[in-house]
Amino acid sequence: DIVMTQSPDSLAVSLGERATINCKSSQSLLYSSNNKNYLAWYQQKSGQPPKLLIYWASTRESGVPDRFSGSGSGTDFTLTISSLQAADVAVYYCRQYYGSPPTFGQGTKVEIK
Amino acid sequence: EVQLLESGGGLVQPGGSLRLSCTASGMTFSKNAMSWVRQGPGKGLEWVSTIVAGGDTTYYADSVKGRFTISRDNLKNSLYLQMNSLRAEDTAIYYCTKVAAGTWYYYIDAWGKGTTVTVSS
Repeated sequence: DIVMTQSPDSLAVSLGERATINCKSSQSLLYSSNNKNYLAWYQQKSGQPPKLLIYWASTRESGVPDRFSGSGSGTDFTLTISSLQAADVAVYYCRQYYGSPPTFGQGTKVEIK
Repeated sequence: EVQLLESGGGLVQPGGSLRLSCTASGMTFSKNAMSWVRQGPGKGLEWVSTIVAGGDTTYYADSVKGRFTISRDNLKNSLYLQMNSLRAEDTAIYYCTKVAAGTWYYYIDAWGKGTTVTVSS
């Protein structure tokens, strides 16, 4: 199985500041035939189901604020919230859909400092 | 807007069975693979099972293989999960999810609100 490891497990950021979450996979998620990284990011607010933010590692889902961005390739990926808002308090998960079974990172909790 | 509505959760004794259902709207159900994802109390997300758009191929996590069966009825826009031989570790919120393509090597782009399964004596 592909192991997804997120860091940090939690972080506290001041309103308006940048939040950065890392996700590392145990093998490359880059499919050479289409040059796509099979990596998505999800946001889960308390008591709610997860919501898709980013897919193909860097494509923002329709309706997601542009302060959310994804980057990286191969085995190392990053979700960046450029200016943290109160509405962004949540747990964030990365998920790979390259290998079987698809696997999630353990989650990163983002709070306001 | 895609809506996925799960039902069928509840309290069941170890060794018992439950059948979860998910009714989809706002999408062309027959064109998308569908998955079940679960989340144990205070825990992270765990993929459980996927069925491709045509319903002819299914995939399972090792933790549920041989005990759970995923199926779909494209005429009824419905997804199912038959859960047998339930264990305490199956206790979780079960989410019905839509895969963004007909095959399973794609991202999940929609989630239901979930249905809670509790396995306890």
